[in-house]
Amino acid sequence: EAGVAQSPRYKIIEKRQSVAFWCNPISGHATLYWYQQILGQGPKLLIQFQNNGVVDDSQLPKDRFSAERLKGVDSTLKIQPAKLEDSAVYLCASSQWDSTDTQYFGPGTRLTVL
Amino acid sequence: AQKVTQAQTEISVVEKEDVTLDCVYETRDTTYYLFWYKQPPSGELVFLIRRNSFDEQNEISGRYSWNFQKSTSSFNFTITASQVVDSAVYFCAPPSTKTSYDKVIFGPGTSLSVIP
Repeated sequence: EAGVAQSPRYKIIEKRQSVAFWCNPISGHATLYWYQQILGQGPKLLIQFQNNGVVDDSQLPKDRFSAERLKGVDSTLKIQPAKLEDSAVYLCASSQWDSTDTQYFGPGTRLTVL
Repeated sequence: AQKVTQAQTEISVVEKEDVTLDCVYETRDTTYYLFWYKQPPSGELVFLIRRNSFDEQNEISGRYSWNFQKSTSSFNFTITASQVVDSAVYFCAPPSTKTSYDKVIFGPGTSLSVIP
């Protein structure tokens, strides 16, 4: 069974530029999560989708971050414009139904904002 | 919000020693699920265990074991005869429930270094 796929793996941009990350969850998984992990910290949930609906986006900085999950499968997370403090690893995870199920994580995208 | 406390931020042990990673959680729910994840230097979080709050039996999987004490809200993780490959950051995830969509607040985890 294929795991969670993410791309790109690495991205370097300058502040005020835009960037987008892509995630393909495990087939059949209804719930998809985006986390931000700053060096030395635990993952912080940015947004949680169940199918193509948003369950929780309370920690998503909506003035610059946006995410969508069209057709309830793939998802994209966008930052526009990026700030220096957005430098982090962005992790995507999926679970079969909801957050009581095991989350399977992708390899992450390491973003560096200069 | 559901949250956890992992009091040990960094632990170093010599290979073959046993080591216990502590986890204390907070929740107002009576039914919830607990998880442990491992994050090796490669960066990908790897699932280790999922436990239902009604199941208080200890679990053993090879060199790994978990002690769940609902009365003290603790879910501790022990590695027996540690190996260098066990070096990683270990996260005890905040309790998850089917009805609560409180913020998921991971702590910084416990960084384990196993010295050969």
